[in-house]
Amino acid sequence: RKEVEQDPGPFNVPEGATVAFNCTYSNSASQSFFWYRQDCRKEPKLLMSVYSSGNEDGRFTAQLNRASQYISLLIRDSKLSDSATYLCVVKRNTGNQFYFGTGTSLTVIP
Amino acid sequence: EAGVAQSPRYKIIEKRQSVAFWCNPISGHATLYWYQQILGQGPKLLIQFQNNGVVDDSQLPKDRFSAERLKGVDSTLKIQPAKLEDSAVYLCASSPPPTTSGRWYEQYFGPGTRLTVT
Repeated sequence: RKEVEQDPGPFNVPEGATVAFNCTYSNSASQSFFWYRQDCRKEPKLLMSVYSSGNEDGRFTAQLNRASQYISLLIRDSKLSDSATYLCVVKRNTGNQFYFGTGTSLTVIP
Repeated sequence: EAGVAQSPRYKIIEKRQSVAFWCNPISGHATLYWYQQILGQGPKLLIQFQNNGVVDDSQLPKDRFSAERLKGVDSTLKIQPAKLEDSAVYLCASSPPPTTSGRWYEQYFGPGTRLTVT
C-alpha cells in the first residue's frame, strides 16, 4: 500500500465553485502534514501546513482526521488561478522522509 | 530572501553518458533533499542531508547515482551512466532542521533540472 494516496483527478470545476480534495495516509505514526501546490512545469510550493485542529487561510481550509487517517483541502470560490496540481505530503514521527502523493489536478473553467 | 538555486535548468544527454546537477539551498537551511519527479507522479526522495551528513539515501540507486554535500552548504547529484528511465525533473529542496520537539518544517524547492535521456 502506498504511503500517501490521492485521487489524481482531473477535477474540472467552474469559477466560483467549491471543490474538495482528500488524501489518505497509511502510517498512523505520521506527524506532520502539508498541502503543496505545483503549477505546470514548476516546482512545488507550500500552500499550507495542516494542523490537528484544522486551519483556514482565506479561501482554503485544511482538515486532518487522525482516526480515519485522511487529510482534506477545501477551496471555496475557485479562481482561474487556482488551476494547478495539489500535492498531499506526510511526514512520520520516525525516520526522515517526507512522503508525497501523486497529486490531484484541478482545472478551473471560466 | 534568495530561494533554492539549481543548475542547469535543462539537460539532454544520451544513455550511458554522465550528468551532474548542482544545488545551493537557502542560507541557514541545514537540511537538503534531492527528489526525482517523473511526469505524472509526486516527487520521490533520493537522498537527504543534514549539514554534510547523509540522513537517508534508502531510495538512491547507488549503482549509478551519487550525491555529496561536502561543506554542508551546496550539493551535487551525479548520474553515471544514465538510463532512459532517468528522464525526469530533479528537484532540490531545503528546510531548517526540525525543532527539539520533533516538529518538521516545510521544504522549499528549487526550480528543478529537467533531464532528458535519449
